[in-house]
Amino acid sequence: DAKTTQPPSMDCAEGRAANLPCNHSTISGNEYVYWYRQIHSQGPQYIIHGLKNNETNEMASLIITEDRKSSTLILPHATLRDTAVYYCIVNKGNEKLTFGTGTRLTIIP
Amino acid sequence: DVKVTQSSRYLVKRTGEKVFLECVQDMDHENMFWYRQDPGLGLRLIYFSYDVKMKEKGDIPEGYSVSREKKERFSLILESASTNQTSMYLCASSENVNTEAFFGQGTRLTVV
Repeated sequence: DAKTTQPPSMDCAEGRAANLPCNHSTISGNEYVYWYRQIHSQGPQYIIHGLKNNETNEMASLIITEDRKSSTLILPHATLRDTAVYYCIVNKGNEKLTFGTGTRLTIIP
Repeated sequence: DVKVTQSSRYLVKRTGEKVFLECVQDMDHENMFWYRQDPGLGLRLIYFSYDVKMKEKGDIPEGYSVSREKKERFSLILESASTNQTSMYLCASSENVNTEAFFGQGTRLTVV
C-alpha cells in the first residue's frame, strides 16, 4: 500500500471550514483514499473514502486531485467536537490497513 | 448498529504473564485487525486475519500471536508480557473489499 504524508498538526477556528491535506504521490490505480479520525480516548472512526471522484457525505467532503497524488478532507463548518487526530490512508481494499501518525486538528473557539 | 467489542477497557498484568485480549464483532466481517497505539507513533498493525483460521503478520508482530477460531472472534495473545507491551490495543473489523473498518473502544494494558 502507498504511503501518505500529512502535517502533524493544524488549527481551525470554530465555524470555519477545516481543510486537511494529504500527499500520496505513490498511489496506484486501484488504491482508494480513506479518512478516519480519532477523538481522544476512543477508537478511530471512519469518515469517507474515494477512488478518483470527489465524494461528499454528512460528515465531510473529499477532494482528490486529477493525478490522484494528493487529497484534501474538508469539514465544512468545524465544531469543537471535530477536535481529533485525522488519518489519511491509501488502501486497495485488501486485508492490510496501515495507519500513519495523522494530523492533530484543534478547533479553536 | 455495527459493533466491535473488546473484552476489557483497562487491564493490569504482571511481567511474564500470558495475556489474552479478546475482540468480538457482530457484523459477519471477513477481516479483523489488531493494532497498538503509543504516543507519537500512531496506530501500528500487529496482526490481521482475512478469514477463520487465517492470519497475517502486520508491522510489529514480535512478542504477539493471534487466534481466530470463529469468524466473529479475534484474540491477541501476549505469550509472556513485558513492560514494553504497555500500550493501548485496538481491534477493528471490515468487510472484504473497499469498505470501512470499524473499531472497538480499545484496551489500555499496563504491564508491571
